[in-house]
Amino acid sequence: GDSVTQTEGPVTVSESESLIINCTYSATSIAYPNLFWYVRYPGEGLQLLLKVITAGQKGSSRGFEATYNKETTSFHLQKASVQESDSAVYYCALGGSNYNVLYFGSGTKLTVEP
Amino acid sequence: AQTIHQWPVAEIKAVGSPLSLGCTIKGKSSPNLYWYWQATGGTLQQLFYSITVGQVESVVQLNLSASRPKDDQFILSTEKLLLSHSGFYLCAWRPTGGAGYFGPGTRLTVL
Repeated sequence: GDSVTQTEGPVTVSESESLIINCTYSATSIAYPNLFWYVRYPGEGLQLLLKVITAGQKGSSRGFEATYNKETTSFHLQKASVQESDSAVYYCALGGSNYNVLYFGSGTKLTVEP
Repeated sequence: AQTIHQWPVAEIKAVGSPLSLGCTIKGKSSPNLYWYWQATGGTLQQLFYSITVGQVESVVQLNLSASRPKDDQFILSTEKLLLSHSGFYLCAWRPTGGAGYFGPGTRLTVL
């Protein structure tokens, strides 16, 4: 079936350091799934961070980037310089052949230390 | 702009007791509605979705049921709670294939 595997948390980094949260996917129901990164900040609801629906393309938002790599079936989330305000739980997700179903990774809790 | 309201915010229930969680969305007509669940330390899983009033599709079987009694309302329920039902329940609105908007969630503790 369709599934997503992402970096096990928690992850702690210092402010201004770079970050990568790994996400790999398995899509058996569809050749080119839609890929998403969601984020839940402390005290807030889950919200979309970025979305890419075309293989080879990059999505970006709030300084974060993720590239849809069909060859390695990956969608890693990266940021060159993190800030304390980036502390949150990040979820990678995949939309399979049933466009009404989303498959989420287990979530990665990121803590950015000052 | 659409708003999603979930109730209750938190619930503590006994094993074997019934449960009803609600979700309403305002500002969006004929929304696609979704229920998700995350056990503590677990993965966020989709439980149900509904494209139209009266129709609900199940994605993951957890001895739960869902109903769509109104265009803007989605209900999650069970007659007998299990310990394994504990967790965080999220309601969402998504356009088909799209990213979507999530409600604030309900924290359920089953004792």
